[in-house]
Amino acid sequence: EPEVTQTPSHQVTQMGQEVILRCVPISNHLYFYWYRQILGQKVEFLVSFYNNEISEKSEIFDDQFSVERPDGSNFTLKIRSTKLEDSAMYFCASSHDRGATEAFFGQGTRLTVV
Amino acid sequence: GENVEQHPSTLSVQEGDSAVIKCTYSDSASNYFPWYKQELGKRPQLIIDIRSNVGEKKDQRIAVTLNKTAKHFSLHITETQPEDSAVYFCAVYSGGGADGLTFGKGTHLIIQP
Repeated sequence: EPEVTQTPSHQVTQMGQEVILRCVPISNHLYFYWYRQILGQKVEFLVSFYNNEISEKSEIFDDQFSVERPDGSNFTLKIRSTKLEDSAMYFCASSHDRGATEAFFGQGTRLTVV
Repeated sequence: GENVEQHPSTLSVQEGDSAVIKCTYSDSASNYFPWYKQELGKRPQLIIDIRSNVGEKKDQRIAVTLNKTAKHFSLHITETQPEDSAVYFCAVYSGGGADGLTFGKGTHLIIQP
């Protein structure tokens, strides 16, 4: 069964550093998403991406965040100048249809900012 | 924006009994309602979903019901088994310009042997 894959599984970074989280969505999916989950809390939407551009972003997705699809398979989330409160599990998801219908999640990247 | 409330936050049931988790939402334009199961340290997995033109959907021991008028939907798990223990999240897609899902806060389901 096709899966969304994310790398790395765990990233530790110093406050103020930049990190790039990587995702390979399911190959025939057209819509890509990043979500985050702070430990013990609910999953929160960050951004959606379609046709090589952001289609929607939440209030959380401020100027320190950016997304990119640098090639035909990868989808990345960059966090510039990380803060302690950026520590969370970041999930990539993809879906074939709009509206996050039948969205499949990756296994997540645990980001720890120290 | 959309507001999703999920109850209860923790649910403990005896193995073999049924479990019901409820969610309410605020945006009457919402049209897609998935349920995700998340085991400790793992990814959320889609277990069942329902669209707004359907009132009920069943998949083996799992069912979801939707009441559009009251703006609530529920997950029903029958004949619970130890492997059903997990955190369950409801989610809502509001449509319009919104692409992301709005999640509830989750229900920790504990199956007592």
